[in-house]
Amino acid sequence: DAKTTQPTSMDCAEGRAANLPCNHSTISGNEYVYWYRQIHSQGPQYIIHGLKNNETNEMASLIITEDRKSSTLILPHATLRDTAVYYCIVSSGGGADGLTFGKGTHLIIQP
Amino acid sequence: EAGVAQSPRYKIIEKRQSVAFWCNPISGHATLYWYQQILGQGPKLLIQFQNNGVVDDSQLPKDRFSAERLKGVDSTLKIQPAKLEDSAVYLCASSLGTAGLIASSYEQYFGPGTRLTVT
Repeated sequence: DAKTTQPTSMDCAEGRAANLPCNHSTISGNEYVYWYRQIHSQGPQYIIHGLKNNETNEMASLIITEDRKSSTLILPHATLRDTAVYYCIVSSGGGADGLTFGKGTHLIIQP
Repeated sequence: EAGVAQSPRYKIIEKRQSVAFWCNPISGHATLYWYQQILGQGPKLLIQFQNNGVVDDSQLPKDRFSAERLKGVDSTLKIQPAKLEDSAVYLCASSLGTAGLIASSYEQYFGPGTRLTVT
């Protein structure tokens, strides 16, 4: 699976959009981009995934560049409960394969 | 829908003792995973089961760690003997395990984890 690079930490004001970048320059054609988050003392939680096209669900939007070498997770209206570590993961196995987590981005939502 | 259940939530043992963790996945989920999360790091996959068969145990320290999923539902992870560096949160996750057609099959659902402290 391709390696990902994320900033160690980010701040965002409550009510504003939080934009979390991820670099995956070695991604291959059959690999998906997944985002999970982990709130303190809880297990990771799935947010969204994509292959080529931009995706949106009730939690977030995922923007993947045309060359697929980077992506951005967007939380449109961040709340204090969105404070968590966000993991960007690249995997070719769909939901069936084990995930390779990095250290993720610690997003802190400021009141 | 009930989530992934794990027990115990916390465990403190001395080095060289043994310990076992239990996981009950979401009903109908064929694939079960055990991850180890050391403080300050992301989770690391230890072992993956598809029904009651092992799919991937390449990162499981087999000299001291063992895991089973005898009836394809519940699973136990055992450490014997424990070392100080085994102090971590042990996370169990499950998924439908059918990649491809069903969007929900891409999600892994994680339990709350068991926090192990080895002294």
